[in-house]
Amino acid sequence: DTAVSQTPKYLVTQMGNDKSIKCEQNLGHDTMYWYKQDSKKFLKIMFSYNNKELIINETVPNRFSPKSPDKAHLNLHINSLELGDSAVYFCASTRDRGNYGYTFGSGTRLTVV
Amino acid sequence: GENVEQHPSTLSVQEGDSAVIKCTYSDSASNYFPWYKQELGKRPQLIIDIRSNVGEKKDQRIAVTLNKTAKHFSLHITETQPEDSAVYFCAAKEYGNKLVFGAGTILRVKS
Repeated sequence: DTAVSQTPKYLVTQMGNDKSIKCEQNLGHDTMYWYKQDSKKFLKIMFSYNNKELIINETVPNRFSPKSPDKAHLNLHINSLELGDSAVYFCASTRDRGNYGYTFGSGTRLTVV
Repeated sequence: GENVEQHPSTLSVQEGDSAVIKCTYSDSASNYFPWYKQELGKRPQLIIDIRSNVGEKKDQRIAVTLNKTAKHFSLHITETQPEDSAVYFCAAKEYGNKLVFGAGTILRVKS
């Protein structure tokens, strides 16, 4: 199936731990994103990569570090997790040229306890 | 940067009625406006989009209108059904391929 896939789907961890979320797309898209959806459902962009190059880095604590080993993969590593990091994290991708919407992954629900 | 406002935050309609959700944007350079539907526990999914050279687009029971002069766009759902119940997000594409989302509208269709 062509898709944007994220792992894991659920992540429960203690404060202070370090965790990673992985994302892969097989749509041939050039640009990938990380969005955070908080408890009020607001979708806020965190990072964007175009063909392995970081192009958007919003005001995100430097405990969050994205990594793109190739244009089909974008991972998110979070150090020293805090309670406020609890949210659903969505990966998304889109074609580079032209105006097209994003295809979202299924999301990772992160709960920090 | 772009700012997108969306209204109403919640909307309840009777099955069969129409629903309208409105959004305004701030950046006159934005030229692409998608709408997403997110069911509970699921990913946002693109349901319709409109580009700035078009004023209206329709796909079966859903339609989107765009007024570039006033910088607002709207989603219209006719003959609503219970399965239309979800959170709907509007968005505007800022320069650099970044989508800025509205805060979302919870639509409840009562049968």
